[in-house]
Amino acid sequence: QSALAQPASVSGSPGQSITISCAGSSSDIGAFDFVSWYQQHPGKAPRLIIYDVSKRPSGISDRFSGSKSGNTASLTISGLQTEDEADFYCCSYAGDSTRVFGGGTKVTVL
Amino acid sequence: QVQLQESGPGLVKSSQTLSLTCSVSGGSVTTGTYYWSWIRQPAGKGLEWIGYVYKSGHTNYNPSLKSRVSISLDTSKNDFSLRLNSVTAADTAVYFCSRWYYDFWGDVWGKGTTVIVSS
Repeated sequence: QSALAQPASVSGSPGQSITISCAGSSSDIGAFDFVSWYQQHPGKAPRLIIYDVSKRPSGISDRFSGSKSGNTASLTISGLQTEDEADFYCCSYAGDSTRVFGGGTKVTVL
Repeated sequence: QVQLQESGPGLVKSSQTLSLTCSVSGGSVTTGTYYWSWIRQPAGKGLEWIGYVYKSGHTNYNPSLKSRVSISLDTSKNDFSLRLNSVTAADTAVYFCSRWYYDFWGDVWGKGTTVIVSS
């Protein structure tokens, strides 16, 4: 299946809010509430920050929030901080024991 | 706290077999409902799911790699392994092992290991 579509880059100033979109289809995002988001700093492993569309793992800041509408999921980072500068990836279950990742979004804090 | 650590050769010759092991500490590969997974990332690119093994030995692979990949579990060593045959330069990447709750999300990741395929 095709990768989920994410914008290549999103930027914002400290303290602002930004939203990253993740566009899928009726076979993945639209069909299941199993969207997850990962933050990856350069040279590091991905870190789970959102699962099941909008749930946060223990220890993840409430500045990160997730949502879904139709075939598109979104990650919002509020109160943007310099340490939020990283790559972000969405992922969705796509049925038949498959999952699909997004191409990634680079977040820059201006 | 479960931790994962990848190990294996960092350099593999073209057409040969890439073999990596993921050592699991702080928990057992036989408990819970987790899919022990491998994911890779070519330099400057996104994440690609390779496949997983469940505690029962059940496996599932990315269709694009299925003919070349094998993932196995060693409960006596509490680790799981990846074998990728007939590698080419396109297999050069950072390889991550990860613990996934079924097919849905990966909550624990190894630090990753770089594998370069040379000609």
